[in-house]
Amino acid sequence: GAVVSQHPSWVICKSGTSVKIECRSLDFQATTMFWYRQFPKQSLMLMATSNEGSKATYEQGVEKDKFLINHASLTLSTLTVTSAHPEDSSFYICSASRGGLMNTEAFFGQGTRLTVV
Amino acid sequence: LAKTTQPISMDSYEGQEVNITCSHNNIATNDYITWYQQFPSQGPRFIIQGYKTKVTNEVASLFIPADRKSSTLSLPRVSLSDTAVYYCLVVRSNDYKLSFGAGTTVTVRA
Repeated sequence: GAVVSQHPSWVICKSGTSVKIECRSLDFQATTMFWYRQFPKQSLMLMATSNEGSKATYEQGVEKDKFLINHASLTLSTLTVTSAHPEDSSFYICSASRGGLMNTEAFFGQGTRLTVV
Repeated sequence: LAKTTQPISMDSYEGQEVNITCSHNNIATNDYITWYQQFPSQGPRFIIQGYKTKVTNEVASLFIPADRKSSTLSLPRVSLSDTAVYYCLVVRSNDYKLSFGAGTTVTVRA
């Protein structure tokens, strides 16, 4: 099946610094990717839709200036958590779909565990 | 998209069949029913998708009645490694934005 890869798998950073997370579709092109956040014992919450070649669309309540999304190519989207604080510590997951009329299967990355200290 | 309701948790034993029922009363004509599995500290993994009647693949079966207001994921002969959270989602054709509910935590015991 299609593979979506995230990097890094985990990261620890100091409060006030920025962290970049990469999401790559390894064997297909994805014009649209999605970023989710998951806190412990909770479900995934959609943060934003990453569109190749245009601005990302953020869900209500998600600060676009804090969570910068860049989708510069058909196989790569990046999420940068700027000026991270301990409350940003979470599990960040991206997804992409291969596309096609009948294909609604989304492929997820393995996730990135962010810990801000 | 239609909201889904599923049990918070289910317990089972190895070798048993596990059936998880999901309600989606407001499902629309263009919507598909999709199930994902998530292990701790991993991204969700697609299990199965269906529109109506029955769909079966190598890991599960999905039963959808004619009114499509509910669906049942069936996991045959579960093993300890099937312990995970299972999410039922209603997905619109060509819309890849997914809305996750609370999911069902399935615990398989020896």
